[in-house]
Amino acid sequence: EAGVAQSPRYKIIEKRQSVAFWCNPISGHATLYWYQQILGQGPKLLIQFQNNGVVDDSQLPKDRFSAERLKGVDSTLKIQPAKLEDSAVYLCASSSQGDTQYFGPGTRLTVL
Amino acid sequence: GENVEQHPSTLSVQEGDSAVIKCTYSDSASNYFPWYKQELGKRPQLIIDIRSNVGEKKDQRIAVTLNKTAKHFSLHITETQPEDSAVYFCAAFSGNTGKLIFGQGTTLQVKP
Repeated sequence: EAGVAQSPRYKIIEKRQSVAFWCNPISGHATLYWYQQILGQGPKLLIQFQNNGVVDDSQLPKDRFSAERLKGVDSTLKIQPAKLEDSAVYLCASSSQGDTQYFGPGTRLTVL
Repeated sequence: GENVEQHPSTLSVQEGDSAVIKCTYSDSASNYFPWYKQELGKRPQLIIDIRSNVGEKKDQRIAVTLNKTAKHFSLHITETQPEDSAVYFCAAFSGNTGKLIFGQGTTLQVKP
């Protein structure tokens, strides 16, 4: 079984630029999550999708972050404009039952 | 809101010794407790989990115990090896909110 795929693996941008991350969940997993992991901390949930609908986006800074999951499979997370404090690893995870989550390799974002 | 406290933040043991990491959760509706191991620069990997109807679960050298009354759960690693060195995260899943809340992480160092 293929795992959660993410791209790119690394991204370096300057502040105020925009960036987008892509995630392909495990086949058949209805629930998809985006987490932000700042160095030395646990993952923090940004947004949760059930199929193509948003279940929880209460922690998503909506003035600069947006996410979509068209057709209930792949998902894209965008940041526009980026700030220095957005430097982190962005992890995508998926789940079939809603509790056990499997993580992708993450995208390490550096904002200069 | 929901919270998971994890201790200690760092743990150093000699190879062959045991390591114990403890977590406390606040949401009494939590019913699923996974543990993730994250090596430097890699994705969090699920290593063991326990559900609220079970008090203890063991898988080779790792075991997890759950005390629902006290709202805490622990990870036990016996006969530690250098390859056990990583950051370990506990998490608690609430059946009410559908959220997985992570602890702050424990950096385990196993000295050869």
